[in-house]
Amino acid sequence: DTGVSQDPRHKITKRGQNVTFRCDPISEHNRLYWYRQTLGQGPEFLTYFQNEAQLEKSRLLSDRFSAERPKGSFSTLEIQRTEQGDSAMYLCASSLGRGNQGYGYTFGSGTRLTVV
Amino acid sequence: AQKVTQAQTEISVVEKEDVTLDCVYETRDTTYYLFWYKQPPSGELVFLIRRNSFDEQNEISGRYSWNFQKSTSSFNFTITASQVVDSAVYFCALRLSGAGSYQLTFGKGTKLSVIP
Repeated sequence: DTGVSQDPRHKITKRGQNVTFRCDPISEHNRLYWYRQTLGQGPEFLTYFQNEAQLEKSRLLSDRFSAERPKGSFSTLEIQRTEQGDSAMYLCASSLGRGNQGYGYTFGSGTRLTVV
Repeated sequence: AQKVTQAQTEISVVEKEDVTLDCVYETRDTTYYLFWYKQPPSGELVFLIRRNSFDEQNEISGRYSWNFQKSTSSFNFTITASQVVDSAVYFCALRLSGAGSYQLTFGKGTKLSVIP
């Protein structure tokens, strides 16, 4: 296990369809994060899990977005009724944290979503 | 709310030149972490450095160096003797160290092109 894996790398979907992305974090990392990055911008925080609990959600995460992390291992991010504005790179990151300490975030290569 | 500003959108240098990437941050918190990440064309964010707000010592790692100045809220990154492999988008990010806050706030990034 050498890093954070994301699947698929690329996804093209028609507007209105649902899509689901998967993230496999580094196995010993208890924290998992989703970010969205649009062209020419820095990543923007979407949501955060500690183990299986979703502890923080951004206002960017509309009701069409849902994320899960069953059993505190891999995570899925689902977008329902996709819109063209959802086109972006979706990045997953994981970290090993104890208490309030954050020991470096490792990012995956992302899933690039294109909504046509 | 916190904010990270990277005023330089794009920089081009000739190989072997030194280059400094600027980062200015805003936060009302007194304790926080600052990060630099590199994003090559492959898309994966590569961790470069994390700095605690209590530690204002400058750091050098090979050709990379970082200058942290709390008085000006800046955390600048210098690459000495740049190489073509340094071409990438570089992001500065801020994370508060308060309990329950684990999200990174990124700047918009600076695209560095090193010309052979």
